[in-house]
Amino acid sequence: DTGVSQNPRHKITKRGQNVTFRCDPISEHNRLYWYRQTLGQGPEFLTYFQNEAQLEKSRLLSDRFSAERPKGSFSTLEIQRTEQGDSAMYLCASSLRRETFFGQGTRLTVV
Amino acid sequence: GQQLNQSPQSMFIQEGEDVSMNCTSSSIFNTWLWYKQDPGEGPVLLIALYKAGELTSNGRLTAQFGITRKDSFLNISASIPSDVGIYFCAGHLGNAGNNRKLIWGLGTSLAVNP
Repeated sequence: DTGVSQNPRHKITKRGQNVTFRCDPISEHNRLYWYRQTLGQGPEFLTYFQNEAQLEKSRLLSDRFSAERPKGSFSTLEIQRTEQGDSAMYLCASSLRRETFFGQGTRLTVV
Repeated sequence: GQQLNQSPQSMFIQEGEDVSMNCTSSSIFNTWLWYKQDPGEGPVLLIALYKAGELTSNGRLTAQFGITRKDSFLNISASIPSDVGIYFCAGHLGNAGNNRKLIWGLGTSLAVNP
């Protein structure tokens, strides 16, 4: 296991389409996070899972966003009816204790 | 949302020079983490700090957890061209409980002139 894995690395989609991203955390990590990062900013927290339970969602996560972690392993983040403002880097991270490790991110461009 | 105050915003230095950057907050943190991010990539964890006063090194990198638990610094000694990138501080608030979401600085962009 080499770390947190995210797919796809890049996604270009037309406005109004739905997109889904996948994250495979480090295998023994029970906590999984989704962050969003725009140019010149630090990552912003979106949501957090402990095992399969989604325990917190940011106000940034509108009704068009949904995240799942069905068996407490991999997670998916879906954005419905994408808007240009959704263009960003979507980062997945996992942790077991206090160290948090990030994937390489999925760069979303909405045209 | 809440952010850490990170400075400087950017640095342009000569290869071989030492670099220092820091983060401050008005809130107490119980963990400080320093990351490096290259363009188009996710942040890579450099150093983790867990208690006030802790000083930790990772090769040419040294970081400290401030005594007040409201600040941290990162030093890079004898910089080399591959140190180029954006360095972020991040931390867990003292009252974070079980959710270890990270609070982030805005980053320090480092450029190294060979």
